[in-house]
Amino acid sequence: QVQLVESGGGVVQPGRSLRVSCVVSGFTFGTYAMHWVRQAPGKGLEWVAIISNDGSENYYADSVKGRFSISRDNSKNTLFLQMNSLRVEDTAVYYCARESVVTVYFDYWGQGTLVTVSS
Amino acid sequence: SYVLTQPPSVSVAPGKTARITCGGNNIGGYSVHWYQQKPGQAPVLLIYYDSGRPSGIPERFSGSNSGNTATLTISRVEAGDEADYYCQVWHTGGHQGVFGGGTKLTVL
Repeated sequence: QVQLVESGGGVVQPGRSLRVSCVVSGFTFGTYAMHWVRQAPGKGLEWVAIISNDGSENYYADSVKGRFSISRDNSKNTLFLQMNSLRVEDTAVYYCARESVVTVYFDYWGQGTLVTVSS
Repeated sequence: SYVLTQPPSVSVAPGKTARITCGGNNIGGYSVHWYQQKPGQAPVLLIYYDSGRPSGIPERFSGSNSGNTATLTISRVEAGDEADYYCQVWHTGGHQGVFGGGTKLTVL
């Protein structure tokens, strides 16, 4: 069955960096575009970034552009989100999500990893 | 950037019909997708392509989209439907995903 498992969350000081990962199984990873979506405590969902199936294209939300970088290793079935210059407002649960093959909706989600930015 | 507007909350009695709206400029020109999120859980795809239902989603859940409003309809509401519901589109021009602010469904 399809599984997405995030890891790497934790507490980090403002201005520092953190990388979160998402290991997938149950499907051919290199066939699918992947996304990161985040949710601040008590708030709604916010789309963060997309990477194409082969890693050649990526796009970002304005709120993270220039600070976050999405990447993938198809040989290891792993998606990454490198987060630099972290801000208090980046505190959130970060979900990885698989994009449907047909159009851009998210047919499978991980359970999320919590990133807390605090001094 | 493209904005989707949802009511913060909707309340409905068990067995009745709940309608959750998602407003956006010419949203009828987009494919709208809906997610259900229960407390402490990841979102689950509920409706895709305006009205498609993934396998395992009950027929009580349906969607429509026209003009400036997309609607998620939940028929014969059950206590287990209490959750947050989010609409979503892909804004192709900006290469960005957009979520509505979410609607909390309360079953009275």
